[in-house]
Amino acid sequence: AQSVAQPEDQVNVAEGNPLTVKCTYSVSGNPYLFWYVQYPNRGLQFLLKYITGDNLVKGSYGFEAEFNKSQTSFHLKKPSALVSDSALYFCAVRDIGDDKIIFGKGTRLHILP
Amino acid sequence: NAGVMQNPRHLVRRRGQEARLRCSPMKGHSHVYWYRQLPEEGLKFMVYLQKENIIDESGMPKERFSAEFPKEGPSILRIQQVVRGDSAAYFCASSISGSSASTDTQYFGPGTRLTVL
Repeated sequence: AQSVAQPEDQVNVAEGNPLTVKCTYSVSGNPYLFWYVQYPNRGLQFLLKYITGDNLVKGSYGFEAEFNKSQTSFHLKKPSALVSDSALYFCAVRDIGDDKIIFGKGTRLHILP
Repeated sequence: NAGVMQNPRHLVRRRGQEARLRCSPMKGHSHVYWYRQLPEEGLKFMVYLQKENIIDESGMPKERFSAEFPKEGPSILRIQQVVRGDSAAYFCASSISGSSASTDTQYFGPGTRLTVL
């Protein structure tokens, strides 16, 4: 069965510092991996996805994520955090051969001015 | 190109009433997915539909919940005889294609927040 783990409920980072939001996954085959961001009372916005190819994926708003097959991880990163990055971040996985996306519980990111 | 549209954005119902949630996919998208988000939790898959077909309803509760995506018009998620436990945010997503081999991204609407009194 597919699953996604986001081990941190909350991450606090000072503005200007690099940020990392962790995600590990479990699938039976090769995964499609996604990051979405949710602002208060809003829907999910797509940030980036990994399908195949280069392990470092670049996405919207300066975010990137690194696919690590041996560690089954897909951590979200940004070199320099902005206060406006404060939001709820969801990692998600889809197994090849399945049509549904499985979401993690989310990590709340607080960027401190 | 308008994004995924959902209405209403907020819906209040009393126990026992019916809730009807609507979703219009992005232009050119013919695949729709419904997810439910309980407070402080991630999204849980409910159902995947193409026009006039339910493809995967493995996440739908067996009773009171139904979904459709007619040839014309929006997709509808219907909850009959609502109970307090149905209070949640319901999100719709759409994609261009949705086969199991597809790599297309699912794009989400703003959600409908259902409150059952």
